[in-house]
Amino acid sequence: ETGVTQTPRHLVMGMTNKKSLKCEQHLGHNAMYWYKQSAKKPLELMFVYNFKEQTENNSVPSRFSPECPNSSHLFLHLHTLQPEDSALYLCASSQARSGRLGGTGELFFGEGSRLTVL
Amino acid sequence: AQKVTQAQTEISVVEKEDVTLDCVYETRDTTYYLFWYKQPPSGELVFLIRRNSFDEQNEISGRYSWNFQKSTSSFNFTITASQVVDSAVYFCALSEAGQTGANNLFFGTGTRLTVIP
Repeated sequence: ETGVTQTPRHLVMGMTNKKSLKCEQHLGHNAMYWYKQSAKKPLELMFVYNFKEQTENNSVPSRFSPECPNSSHLFLHLHTLQPEDSALYLCASSQARSGRLGGTGELFFGEGSRLTVL
Repeated sequence: AQKVTQAQTEISVVEKEDVTLDCVYETRDTTYYLFWYKQPPSGELVFLIRRNSFDEQNEISGRYSWNFQKSTSSFNFTITASQVVDSAVYFCALSEAGQTGANNLFFGTGTRLTVIP
């Protein structure tokens, strides 16, 4: 139990569907992340939210739409996905600090949402 | 640009053998952080260690040890007397402290370790 909970754990959707992935952290952290893990590729950082503000959008297609209503919840809204979007989507959180050495804390990951796009 | 290379895609060892997982990184920052994570079959990445670029002391934690060498830009991870429960994918990651606030980790492709009983 890492304190980061992702739902659903598994999702199968067609290319015309709209679905959402949910992430919740119970660690009191103020930064949350979405990563994509595809087979034989490095984990790809998709989005970063720092104090509920999006600070990173790593050239992610617009068919992925993040939402961070508060520092404990993070969503990834999915629509008109492609089969190549099938992957494990990992949510993480950390305690971010301001200043030059802000990015020092480790990330705590959820177990991921395994997405299959047919 | 940042880059993390884990040249070993898969390693198999027999239980009780020692095994070293290699990690080589690239960064232009003088202040940075290196991490190792373990990903068991359940999927979540489990944090193992963080080192900052100013601290080259090697670290030992039980059967785990880490060898950080700035001269070769390497941060290798050794498991001594491996056990079946060590079977997992291990990721090396880099974060540059030039970024404020949130942690942007750049991961290697991972090394799948299989420990055979």
